[in-house]
Amino acid sequence: AQKVTQAQTEISVVEKEDVTLDCVYETRDTTYYLFWYKQPPSGELVFLIRRNSFDEQNEISGRYSWNFQKSTSSFNFTITASQVVDSAVYFCALSEGGVSGGYNKLIFGAGTRLAVHP
Amino acid sequence: DTGVSQDPRHKITKRGQNVTFRCDPISEHNRLYWYRQTLGQGPEFLTYFQNEAQLEKSRLLSDRFSAERPKGSFSTLEIQRTEQGDSAMYLCASRAVSGRDNEQYFGPGTRLTVT
Repeated sequence: AQKVTQAQTEISVVEKEDVTLDCVYETRDTTYYLFWYKQPPSGELVFLIRRNSFDEQNEISGRYSWNFQKSTSSFNFTITASQVVDSAVYFCALSEGGVSGGYNKLIFGAGTRLAVHP
Repeated sequence: DTGVSQDPRHKITKRGQNVTFRCDPISEHNRLYWYRQTLGQGPEFLTYFQNEAQLEKSRLLSDRFSAERPKGSFSTLEIQRTEQGDSAMYLCASRAVSGRDNEQYFGPGTRLTVT
């Protein structure tokens, strides 16, 4: 069965601190995809990143970076120099691959609520 | 606005009533997904369509739930004889299967409250 665990329920930091959100996944598939979504207070889920199981290269996008390690089944997300606007709930998700259309339904973790204080 | 839209945004209903939600996907997205999100949890998959065909339904989707996508464009999700446990945010997402950008994009959701 597929499962995503986000052990950190809530994290509180002061602006400009770096913060890492943990994500651990379980799957028996050899081909799968991992995602991060952001859900700000407005409620709409915003796509941040998708990685496939064959690409373990870390990725950096501005203040955001992602560390994918198959050996530990983890896909962690780091925000550098956090800002108040980063306050949101962040979800890690998993999808099986090797199906028609690349990937399909998403299995989400419970989310991590990040509060960035000025 | 070219994003996924959902209507209504909020719905309050009494237990036992039927409700119907609508989702309009991004134009030309052939896959459409429904998820449900309860407070403090991540979204849970309910069902998905490829064009007008409903290809998968979760065990969460009881007999009281039905979804359609009659012309392969918008979709409706109906809940019959609502129960208090149905109170949740119902999210719709769409994606294109091919092409460079085939991410799943979510709508703003319909928040259902069953009293």
